[in-house]
Amino acid sequence: AQSVSQHNHHVILSEAASLELGCNYSYGGTVNLFWYVQYPGQHLQLLLKYFSGDPLVKGIKGFEAEFIKSKFSFNLRKPSVQWSDTAEYFCAVNPNQAGTALIFGKGTTLSVSS
Amino acid sequence: KAGVTQTPRYLIKTRGQQVTLSCSPISGHRSVSWYQQTPGQGLQFLFEYFSETQRNKGNFPGRFSGRQFSNSRSEMNVSTLELGDSALYLCASSLVSRTDTQYFGPGTRLTVL
Repeated sequence: AQSVSQHNHHVILSEAASLELGCNYSYGGTVNLFWYVQYPGQHLQLLLKYFSGDPLVKGIKGFEAEFIKSKFSFNLRKPSVQWSDTAEYFCAVNPNQAGTALIFGKGTTLSVSS
Repeated sequence: KAGVTQTPRYLIKTRGQQVTLSCSPISGHRSVSWYQQTPGQGLQFLFEYFSETQRNKGNFPGRFSGRQFSNSRSEMNVSTLELGDSALYLCASSLVSRTDTQYFGPGTRLTVL
């Protein structure tokens, strides 16, 4: 079945540690790719997006993601996390055939200890 | 610029009732999408409206419906509520196309008893 998979349900890191959250999708053809974040008590907000061009995209707050087409992956990275990065992170895919619909992964909860 | 607003923020209903949720998009945005968020299924796409027309629909039963008004405000309706409809319902607005960023509202928390 077509889906978006986030490998880690819950990640616990200490401040200054590096972060990588995995995301794989199973849709063929052209896709748009997104990472959204939901901080405690706040709305979902966009971290970064990829439509075309350079497969390494940079987003807000020092986050970046790399699109690897051959692996159907769009992993999120940050070199050094802060306590304020504690949040839930969602990978989302917009397949070409789905109009504007976003297909979300189940999310990864990141807990950063100071 | 004001963000996406949703009303009401919390709602408690009983099985068999119907409910209407409202979403006001960011000014100038013409596309409104609805999502259901539950602990078990995560975020799932319900439908999208653009220029008062449903442009896309997810895999939900016909009890879930929506509409959009000429000012781009949107409502979604759930009839004959079931316990499993308890969820956070999120609205997102965007300018026009699939390359435009979707901005999410705070959601309406629906509890069905």
